[in-house]
Amino acid sequence: AIQLTQSPSSLSAFVGDRVTLTCRASQGIYTALAWYQQKPGKPPKLLIFESSNLNTGVPSRFSGSGSGTDFTLTISSLQPEDFATYYCQQFNSFPRNFGRGTNIEMK
Amino acid sequence: VQLVESGGGLVRPGGSLRLSCAASGFTFNSYSMNWVRQAPGKGLEWLSFISSETDDKQYADSVKGRFTISRDNAKNSVYLQMNSLRAEDTAVYYCVRGGIFDYWGQGVLVSVSS
Repeated sequence: AIQLTQSPSSLSAFVGDRVTLTCRASQGIYTALAWYQQKPGKPPKLLIFESSNLNTGVPSRFSGSGSGTDFTLTISSLQPEDFATYYCQQFNSFPRNFGRGTNIEMK
Repeated sequence: VQLVESGGGLVRPGGSLRLSCAASGFTFNSYSMNWVRQAPGKGLEWLSFISSETDDKQYADSVKGRFTISRDNAKNSVYLQMNSLRAEDTAVYYCVRGGIFDYWGQGVLVSVSS
């Protein structure tokens, strides 16, 4: 099974900061990676699919990149509603594993 | 698009539950479906996949042989039959649409405890 390692596991940031999250796959997955945002008590929300494609309705301050084993999610200017936990997930093969998540807290 | 899970609750270890997910707002028989769970305070765990025509089913190792996914395209519903439940199966269970997981239900809580 492909394992996904997210880093950091948590970070503190100010509103307006540029934030970059990383997801590393244990083997190459081409661009078969998605990113989700989850807030407490809510289901996850799809942000990015196929590594860099912004889902409908997602603000343009979110962007994704990467291929093979290394992927990033960047928030260009952190907004108050962006404080949440972010997960990556691979779609190259089954099981469709998720990373352990990165929690973004307000500094 | 709406996905509404039901069937959760409290069950004893070794017991069974059947979760249902009622879908609406899209052409259900054109989409694969998935189940994902989240234990309290933990991350997301993909559990199972079923193709649009039911010819392909996949399971996580943690539930293989205990859980069975199925669907009824005439009823726009997907199911998860859960047998031999363990304490570690306690979680919120989400029904999720399709190959890119673009729509999620609100989740249903399953608690396994004596």
